[in-house]
Amino acid sequence: GENVEQHPSTLSVQEGDSAVIKCTYSDSASNYFPWYKQELGKRPQLIIDIRSNVGEKKDQRIAVTLNKTAKHFSLHITETQPEDSAVYFCAASWEGNKLVFGAGTILRVKS
Amino acid sequence: DSGVTQTPKHLITATGQRVTLRCSPRSGDLSVYWYQQSLDQGLQFLIQYYNGEERAKGNILERFSAQQFPDLHSELNLSSLELGDSALYFCASSVVTGDNEQFFGPGTRLTVL
Repeated sequence: GENVEQHPSTLSVQEGDSAVIKCTYSDSASNYFPWYKQELGKRPQLIIDIRSNVGEKKDQRIAVTLNKTAKHFSLHITETQPEDSAVYFCAASWEGNKLVFGAGTILRVKS
Repeated sequence: DSGVTQTPKHLITATGQRVTLRCSPRSGDLSVYWYQQSLDQGLQFLIQYYNGEERAKGNILERFSAQQFPDLHSELNLSSLELGDSALYFCASSVVTGDNEQFFGPGTRLTVL
C-alpha cells in the first residue's frame, strides 16, 4: 500500500546551522508533496509544498527538493532559529485526495 | 487561524461510550478530511467527503462513521469507545480534490478513560 518513510526521527542542530529532513514515497503516482510543521498540541501547518512537475521550490529559509526517479523529497531549513523547533511531517498525495504522512521528525534547535 | 473550526476542543469520556466530533470547513471549501493522530500511529487518514459524498476511506474502524451535511460541515461519530481511541482528531478542508493545500483545524483531543 501507500507508504511514506521519513528520516531522521529526531534532529538536533545548533542555531544558525542547516537542517535536512528526508522522505521516500512508495507510489510513483504521487503528485503532491507538502511539508507540515506541528508545535506541541497544535494543528499541523503547511510550510511549503511541491508538485511533481517541479524539482525544487524555495521560500526564504525553507526549500524542498523532489527527485521523482528516486521517489525522494527533502526539506532544507537554513539559518535555523529556536522557533524552528517543532515536529515536521512530510506527506504525499496520490489519487488526488488523502495525504499519507511520514512518521515525523522532532527538530530541536539549540541556542 | 486556518478558518477551519472544530468542536469540542477537549472530550473526556468512558469506554463503551459514543461521541460526535464536529468540523466546519473554510468558507468555499467542498472537501473535508478527517485524520487521527495518536502517539504510536502518527497522523492517519480516516475518511474524506466531497460536497456531501464520501470520496475516500482510510484506516477507519467500523465503530467510526462520518457524514457531511448540505451546509458542508462534517461530523465524525465514534462509538463503543476503547482506551486506544484516545487521540487528537483533526479535520482538514480543501477547495476541491486533487493536489490542493489542506487546511487543518485546531483538533479535538479525545481521552477515553
